[in-house]
Amino acid sequence: DTAVSQTPKYLVTQMGNDKSIKCEQNLGHDTMYWYKQDSKKFLKIMFSYNNKELIINETVPNRFSPKSPDKAHLNLHINSLELGDSAVYFCASSQLFNTGELFFGEGSRLTVL
Amino acid sequence: DAKTTQPNSMESNEEEPVHLPCNHSTISGTDYIHWYRQLPSQGPEYVIHGLTSNVNNRMASLAIAEDRKSSTLILHRATLRDAAVYYCILRGANNAGNMLTFGGGTRLMVKP
Repeated sequence: DTAVSQTPKYLVTQMGNDKSIKCEQNLGHDTMYWYKQDSKKFLKIMFSYNNKELIINETVPNRFSPKSPDKAHLNLHINSLELGDSAVYFCASSQLFNTGELFFGEGSRLTVL
Repeated sequence: DAKTTQPNSMESNEEEPVHLPCNHSTISGTDYIHWYRQLPSQGPEYVIHGLTSNVNNRMASLAIAEDRKSSTLILHRATLRDAAVYYCILRGANNAGNMLTFGGGTRLMVKP
């Protein structure tokens, strides 16, 4: 049973398109995150949601709109895709007030042509 | 959260111990020291964390200097599967949202 699962694993699309990446966790955690890993391999936090409420938004363009329909899901919708959006996007989850262990998904590789 | 400094890369032989260093001279008294690793084409994976005392788990040991300005992740017997990027991260007790701030990490290469 995969703890944090993301779909799709690979996504190739044209500039200007709109796409979504879905994330689900079955760990019962109350907090979920989106991280972006660019071509230089740096992992950067994008968003954090606690109990469906946004708690961190790290200066991400408003073309990125996360949506959390419930505690177990955090989806990432990206409008008007740009070349610079090409990256691997990782979803993660944790319990907010614990020792801080985050569980990550396997990543979704987005390629914008 | 305070910054950490790690070597860009290290090499090890299979079945030998590996000591991965991390400097965090600006650590505050309430910062936890976390280690994650990222295997090729996978998401980061929790390894271990500690506050002041040394810690052991099934994956590794964490040795924390007495002044807490540095720490060392110890893999007791490296295997080829341990080849990964290892991240040392400080997480403050007042860290909003429980997020982790990743640095460049150390790329560990394991030779057979």
